[in-house]
Amino acid sequence: QVQLVQSGAEVKRPGASVTVSCKTSGYTFTSYGIGWVRQAPGQGLEWMGWISPYNGNTNYAQKYYGGATMTADTSTSTVYLEVRGLKSDDTAVYYCARMAYSTGLDFWGQGTLVTVSS
Amino acid sequence: EVLLMQSPGTLSLSPGERATLSCRASQSVTTNYLAWYQQKPGLAPRLLIYGASNRATGIPDRFSGSGSGPDFTLTISRLEPEDFAVYYCQQYGNSPYTFGQGTKLEIK
Repeated sequence: QVQLVQSGAEVKRPGASVTVSCKTSGYTFTSYGIGWVRQAPGQGLEWMGWISPYNGNTNYAQKYYGGATMTADTSTSTVYLEVRGLKSDDTAVYYCARMAYSTGLDFWGQGTLVTVSS
Repeated sequence: EVLLMQSPGTLSLSPGERATLSCRASQSVTTNYLAWYQQKPGLAPRLLIYGASNRATGIPDRFSGSGSGPDFTLTISRLEPEDFAVYYCQQYGNSPYTFGQGTKLEIK
């Protein structure tokens, strides 16, 4: 069965960086994109961007250009999201989700809480 | 970027009633690539509808989606207790793939 398992919660200081991993299984890794979505406490869903594990191509929401990097490791079927220069308003649950081009985000990871606090 | 406006912000209904949720885009959504997700507290969102009107695998047939261009609707024909949650629409036809702000469906 399709599974996306994310790394555990993180607490970071302002200005630091964080890397969240998303390990996939149960399907052909290179046949689907992976999207990243974040959700601040009590708020709605925010699209960050996506990566194609097939060729490494990425597409970021404007807000995240230069501040976030998505990478894929085909040897372990794992996708990574690095966010740099963390601020308190980056405190959120970060989700990865499998992205099929015509069917949206059909399988989701469990989410990773990143807390930014001094 | 395509902005999505969901209405109402909160919908109060009773089990057994019909729910109608709206999602309006600031411009036409390419190829009707519009999805609906359900999210319960503490859990990841779950895909309900894709391509505006196609139910995802395992989704009960009381959930249906309709619409095209800028106006889309999610209908829940007869509410079950487990349907009370927050619902989001998302367009994935034009990058960035934006979400609406959500509709909270609460028990009346």
